[in-house]
Amino acid sequence: QVQLVESGGAVVQPGRSLRLSCGASGFTLGSYAMHWVRQAPGKGLEWVAVIWYDGSKTYYLDSVKGRFVISRDNFKNTLYLQMNSLRAEDTGVYYCAREGATGYDPEVLDYWGQGTLVTVSS
Amino acid sequence: QSVLTQPPSVSGAPGQRVTISCTGSTSDMGAGYDVHWYQHVPGRAPKLLIYGNNIRPSGVPDRFSGAKSGTSASLAISGLQAEDEAVYYCQSFDTSLTARVFGGGTKLTVL
Repeated sequence: QVQLVESGGAVVQPGRSLRLSCGASGFTLGSYAMHWVRQAPGKGLEWVAVIWYDGSKTYYLDSVKGRFVISRDNFKNTLYLQMNSLRAEDTGVYYCAREGATGYDPEVLDYWGQGTLVTVSS
Repeated sequence: QSVLTQPPSVSGAPGQRVTISCTGSTSDMGAGYDVHWYQHVPGRAPKLLIYGNNIRPSGVPDRFSGAKSGTSASLAISGLQAEDEAVYYCQSFDTSLTARVFGGGTKLTVL
């Protein structure tokens, strides 16, 4: 079955960097676009970034542009999120999610991981 | 503040029917973008509940239904069960932000 497992969350000081990973199994990662979505404490879900199935295109939430980089290694079945110049407002649980192929616009996020916690604090 | 507006909470007794609204604008649902709904039990992975405004993925009970009209959408849950307690999110796309957007989430309490 489809499984997504995030890792790499930690407590980090403002201005520092962190890299999250998302291991995929049960499907061919290279056939799907992938997303990162986050949830700040006590808040709702917030879309962060997307990467095309082959890595050819990436798009970001305005507040993370220039600081975060989404990437993937389809041979290692792994999605990444490199987070630089972290801010307190980046604190939250980060989820990776697979983009489905239903034909609807926007496409659905049909499978999600359980998330990894990032805390930005001095 | 979320682009899509949902009530913070709803509640109902077992067996009852509840509806969760999701209000957007001409930049998202009103621009023709579809709406999807997710169920999230804290500590667990969010789950796709409704896609394409009113379609249930395989395995989702027919107690769950969705609708969309103009700049708003709704999720209805009939025959409430204790296991339905969760936070429900609507999601679409905002053309002015060029980004997927979520509602703020609605916490469902089964009394």
